[in-house]
Amino acid sequence: SQQGEEDPQALSIQEGENATMNCSYKTSINNLQWYRQNSGRGLVHLILIRSNEREKHSGRLRVTLDTSKKSSSLLITASRAADTASYFCATDNYGQNFVFGPGTRLSVLP
Amino acid sequence: DTEVTQTPKHLVMGMTNKKSLKCEQHMGHRAMYWYKQKAKKPPELMFVYSYEKLSINESVPSRFSPECPNSSLLNLHLHALQPEDSALYLCASSQDVATSGASKYNEQFFGPGTRLTVL
Repeated sequence: SQQGEEDPQALSIQEGENATMNCSYKTSINNLQWYRQNSGRGLVHLILIRSNEREKHSGRLRVTLDTSKKSSSLLITASRAADTASYFCATDNYGQNFVFGPGTRLSVLP
Repeated sequence: DTEVTQTPKHLVMGMTNKKSLKCEQHMGHRAMYWYKQKAKKPPELMFVYSYEKLSINESVPSRFSPECPNSSLLNLHLHALQPEDSALYLCASSQDVATSGASKYNEQFFGPGTRLTVL
C-alpha cells in the first residue's frame, strides 16, 4: 500500500539554489526517514525523524515533520550537481509495515 | 566496515532456472531486509529477518525463498520466476528490528543491488 507520497515527482534547479521536497502519508507513524538513490543504485539513508520531533538538521539537509497534517519536507540548501538523485521518504507505522513513497527525481544543473 | 555487499551485480536467468542472490554485512547488524525495485518505482519490502529469524514476509510468492544462514549473510533463492520479476533486488541491514513497540525500523544500510532479468 502506498503510504508516503512525494511532491513534486520531478524537480530541476540550478546549482546553488535550494530544493524542497514534500512527503505526505496516510496513517500514524512512529518515524519517517529520507533516503537518496543515485541512478539505479543502492539507497543512502539521510535522516530519521521520530513522530515526537518537529525538525532535524544534518549538514545542508533540513527535515520537518507535521504529524497533524501527516506531512514532511526535505530541504537541501545550496544544492550541488552531486545532489542529483532520487529522494524517497519512507514511513514506519509502528511496525505494521515500512513503505517508501514514489520519490522525487531531483536534477541540479551546473 | 560499513558496507553491505551483494552478489552478483547482474543476473540473467530463464524461467526454469534456479539461482540465488547473496548479501553480506559485517556491521554487527541483527536485522536484514530484501527489497524489490522496478524501474522508476520505489523499493518494495519483501522480507525482514531479525536475529536470523524471518519476522516479516510481505505476501511474497513462494518462488522467492529467503534464507539467513547467520547474522552476516542473507540469501534469496529464486526458482521458476516470471518475466515480471525482473527488477533491481536490494538488500539492507540495520542495527535491530524491535519485536514490539516503537522504533521497529531504524536507519537501514543498503547494498548496491542485483539487477535481475528473467527471460
